[in-house]
Amino acid sequence: EAQVTQNPRYLITVTGKKLTVTCSQNMNHEYMSWYRQDPGLGLRQIYYSMNVEVTDKGDVPEGYKVSRKEKRNFPLILESPSPNQTSLYFCASSYGRGINTEAFFGQGTRLTVV
Amino acid sequence: AQSVTQLDSQVPVFEEAPVELRCNYSSSVSVYLFWYVQYPNQGLQLLLKYLSGSTLVKGINGFEAEFNKSQTSFHLRKPSVHISDTAEYFCAVSETFRGNEKLTFGTGTRLTIIP
Repeated sequence: EAQVTQNPRYLITVTGKKLTVTCSQNMNHEYMSWYRQDPGLGLRQIYYSMNVEVTDKGDVPEGYKVSRKEKRNFPLILESPSPNQTSLYFCASSYGRGINTEAFFGQGTRLTVV
Repeated sequence: AQSVTQLDSQVPVFEEAPVELRCNYSSSVSVYLFWYVQYPNQGLQLLLKYLSGSTLVKGINGFEAEFNKSQTSFHLRKPSVHISDTAEYFCAVSETFRGNEKLTFGTGTRLTIIP
């Protein structure tokens, strides 16, 4: 089954404790990205990757890091989480480029930073 | 940069009644437009998309949308809603900027079906 898998689904952590949210897709998509969803703001892009070892900032990259060492995986790293990073996070993947820009989303990770 | 406006944050509708969820976008170039649905505690799922061709696009679960270039709108419609349509709906526009195929989302419309 084609899917994007995120882990964990729920996470509560304390300010400053490094964490990683994993994302994996099995569709051989080149393009992957991370979004955060906040009430009244919709989804905003954090980082994206056009291929292995190619990553760049989206609209709200501050406080986040990513890496793309393999095509299927695109982890999101919070080196020193803060309460304003409490949010619902989604990983997405697509073939990218024009007509194939349909994005497939993971189930989401609800992060609470206290 | 593109922007997407969903004016209605919440829309209550009686079961079996028709519904229209509004979406307007800003763009001076050709766009790809999408509607995604988010059911409670789930990720986003594609409802339908407009890439080119016919301005009336049909999607899953009986939804359709009409692309109107002159009004820069892409409203979502369903002639008769069901309880299972209760969800949040997001309009999105695809934008290519420095190689980034980014989706710009509206703020969402929460559709509540009243039995």
